[in-house]
Amino acid sequence: EPEVTQTPSHQVTQMGQEVILRCVPISNHLYFYWYRQILGQKVEFLVSFYNNEISEKSEIFDDQFSVERPDGSNFTLKIRSTKLEDSAMYFCASFGTGPHEQFFGPGTRLTVL
Amino acid sequence: KNQVEQSPQSLIILEGKNCTLQCNYTVSPFSNLRWYKQDTGRGPVSLTIMTFSENTKSNGRYTATLDADTKQSSLHITASQLSDSASYICVVSAKTSYDKVIFGPGTSLSVIP
Repeated sequence: EPEVTQTPSHQVTQMGQEVILRCVPISNHLYFYWYRQILGQKVEFLVSFYNNEISEKSEIFDDQFSVERPDGSNFTLKIRSTKLEDSAMYFCASFGTGPHEQFFGPGTRLTVL
Repeated sequence: KNQVEQSPQSLIILEGKNCTLQCNYTVSPFSNLRWYKQDTGRGPVSLTIMTFSENTKSNGRYTATLDADTKQSSLHITASQLSDSASYICVVSAKTSYDKVIFGPGTSLSVIP
């Protein structure tokens, strides 16, 4: 079965530092998403990406966040200046054209100290 | 407003027993509904997916139902096992130019010996 991969699995950073979370989606998929889940809370939508541009973003996705698909395979989420409240699991998702083609990555646990 | 609600918030059952988790949604236009299992610290894994015309779908010991008229779904787990302990998340997609995905808050299930 195809799978979405994410690196690193765990990232620890100091407040104010920049972090880049990486995802490799399914190769023939078209829609990519980032979600986050603060410990003990529900999964929250951050941003969707289609045709090399953001198609929708939530109010969480402020100017500190950006996404890129720099080389046609990797899909990255950058947080420019991390805050304590950015500590969460970040999940990448890759969707194909059919409803059965939705896959989540294993997540990156971000810890901001 | 597109919303997904789940009940109960948490549930404890004895190993071998059955249980049913509920999901109510107000998502329009409806595309599909998924049930995911999320182990602690892991990404969500799809259990079932149902589109508008499907009202029941099974995956091993998991059986999901969908009533598109009342906008309700249930996930029935038969003969529970200790490994079923996880969060079960109902996720509903709205049919837009891409699948807009709305997550429920999840039901935390604990199966005890």
